[in-house]
Amino acid sequence: DAGITQSPRHKVTETGTPVTLRCHQTENHRYMYWYRQDPGHGLRLIHYSYGVKDTDKGEVSDGYSVSRSKTEDFLLTLESATSSQTSVYFCAIRTKNLGPYTFGSGTRLTVV
Amino acid sequence: TQLLEQSPQFLSIQEGENLTVYCNSSSVFSSLQWYRQEPGEGPVLLVTVVTGGEVKKLKRLTFQFGDARKDSSLHITAAQPGDTGLYLCAGTPGDNRKLIWGLGTSLAVNP
Repeated sequence: DAGITQSPRHKVTETGTPVTLRCHQTENHRYMYWYRQDPGHGLRLIHYSYGVKDTDKGEVSDGYSVSRSKTEDFLLTLESATSSQTSVYFCAIRTKNLGPYTFGSGTRLTVV
Repeated sequence: TQLLEQSPQFLSIQEGENLTVYCNSSSVFSSLQWYRQEPGEGPVLLVTVVTGGEVKKLKRLTFQFGDARKDSSLHITAAQPGDTGLYLCAGTPGDNRKLIWGLGTSLAVNP
C-alpha cells in the first residue's frame, strides 16, 4: 500500500491566521491532490500536482495555495483562514493518471 | 455541469437485510469507482468498473456498471454492522477530465 500521511490530524486556528497542512507520501507517486469534504458538498478538489513544482487549481482554490518542492511532500496553505474554510481536508495520491485514488486519513480544521 | 447523483442519501437497515444503492448520471463515464469511507478516515477504494454491463463481486458486495456507462449500482447481500459507512461513487468522464464525485450514501447497519 502507498504510504500517505497527513499532518496535523486536528487543528483549531483563529480567523486571519495562516495555516499549512502537510501531505507526505513514501512511494514517489507523481500525482497528488488536496480535497475538502463538507456535508452537502461532498469531496471538492482544491489543488493538484502532476510533479515537482507542477501544480494547478481545482474547483475551490480561492484562498488556498500549494507547493510541491519534493516529490514526497505536497503542502496546502490557507493564506488567511476564514470560518468558511472549516472543513475536513484530504490528501490523495494516484499511482497513474486516471487511476484510483489512495487517500490520507484527513485533517480536521476548525477556524474560530 | 456533469453530476453523479447517488441515492438514497441515507439508509438505515437491520443486520441481515439486503440493500442497493445507486449512482446515476446523464453523462457517459469511461470508468467508475466505488469507495467506502468510515468515520474519521479517508475513502478507500472498493472497485473500479470500466466496461458497460460489467459486474464485479467483492464478497457480499456486487457492483454493476450500466450498459450505457451512465450509471452504476452497489448491492450488498446480508448486510453486517461492519458495512456501515459512507459509500461514494466517482466517475471519469468520457472526455477524460477530472474525476467527478457523488455526494455519497450514508449506510448504517444496526445489529
